[in-house]
Amino acid sequence: EDKVVQSPLSLVVHEGDTVTLNCSYEVTNFRSLLWYKQEKKAPTFLFMLTSSGIEKKSGRLSSILDKKELFSILNITATQTGDSAVYLCAAPGTSGSRLTFGEGTQLTVNP
Amino acid sequence: NAGVMQNPRHLVRRRGQEARLRCSPMKGHSHVYWYRQLPEEGLKFMVYLQKENIIDESGMPKERFSAEFPKEGPSILRIQQVVRGDSAAYFCASSPQFDSPEGYTFGSGTRLTVV
Repeated sequence: EDKVVQSPLSLVVHEGDTVTLNCSYEVTNFRSLLWYKQEKKAPTFLFMLTSSGIEKKSGRLSSILDKKELFSILNITATQTGDSAVYLCAAPGTSGSRLTFGEGTQLTVNP
Repeated sequence: NAGVMQNPRHLVRRRGQEARLRCSPMKGHSHVYWYRQLPEEGLKFMVYLQKENIIDESGMPKERFSAEFPKEGPSILRIQQVVRGDSAAYFCASSPQFDSPEGYTFGSGTRLTVV
């Protein structure tokens, strides 16, 4: 059975801090790993990673994949209160029709 | 272009009643996926449908739960004889084609509370 594990489960920081969220996976026929941001409503897509060592960047957010060690990290620099959310990591299974999600990391950024 | 529309946003049912959750996919999307999010947990896959077909229901409980995606109208997730453990957020996602997880768009979810 495919498995995705995120850590930490929750994190509280102050504005301006840099955070690193972790995601490890055990997926048969791995093809990609996705990151989402969820703010009490619909998860919104952040990144899809398919290749090791290639950083994807969007503003203050960046993510990288290590296919040898089977993990990914999501970095957020200069955090803002608007970054407070649950960050979800997911991987599609062999059939492609289902995503296996981690439990999420609840990030709280205090002013 | 409206996103994935789910309704109702909140639904309260007494134990033993039926719950019907609706999902209208994005225009042009013919693939629909339902996920359930229990409190303090990640999303868990339930079922994947295309128009008039259930493709993968391996995540659906064997009893009381059913899903459909008719030729016309929204996809429906139906829970019969609800129990307290069914209380959760139910999310629908749609995509334009199979095997394109980066193309998933999620709806805002239906929060079901069973009292």
